[in-house]
Amino acid sequence: SYVVTQSPSLSVAPGQTARITCGGDNIGGKSVNWHQQKPGQAPLLVVYEDYERPSGIPERFSGTNSGNTATLVISRVEAGDEAAYYCQVWDSPTDHMIFGGGTKLTVL
Amino acid sequence: EVELLESGGRSVQPGGFLRLSCVGSGFTFRTSAMTWVRQAPGKGLEWVSGIIGSGSSKYYADSVKGRFTISRDNSNNTLYLEMNNLQVADTAVYFCAKGRTVAGNWGQGTLVTVSS
Repeated sequence: SYVVTQSPSLSVAPGQTARITCGGDNIGGKSVNWHQQKPGQAPLLVVYEDYERPSGIPERFSGTNSGNTATLVISRVEAGDEAAYYCQVWDSPTDHMIFGGGTKLTVL
Repeated sequence: EVELLESGGRSVQPGGFLRLSCVGSGFTFRTSAMTWVRQAPGKGLEWVSGIIGSGSSKYYADSVKGRFTISRDNSNNTLYLEMNNLQVADTAVYFCAKGRTVAGNWGQGTLVTVSS
């Protein structure tokens, strides 16, 4: 079945830009969604369909998707952005929802 | 505002049975596909199952196929997950979410513990 890969961790200083990647075979041909999960909380959708933002999500959150890599970009990182971020796709051939292993973002 | 409230999680022995429920409000439940996702302690998110609005199409992860059954009662805005032959590896927080190809809104989750 389809596999998506994320680096386990990323550290960024406040005010800098965080780029969290999600790799998969021709992932650019799929629609990628990103979920933020803070400790003890339910996940929250922050980007869908590669770059769209749900209502209430700051413009600092954006996404790109091309070739074998999708990227969640968080500009002007704040302490409150510290969380695990999961990429997610729908694999049509198998009718399965696929999650990446998650990237823990630490704000220094 | 979309709200999802799960219930039914508890401690159960291996081989046991549980039925989880998820009540939805703030959206048109009967036309919305729904999904179950779980998270084992300290681990990542794992998709479990999905169902379209009418209930006529259902989807399952290989790890639960044949043991879990997803269903819905659109007259009561409720999503279900029946879990049979539970195993220790099924221990997790189970979340329901709105959507089939994208989990757009999430509930707070219900904890299932499988232990002897």
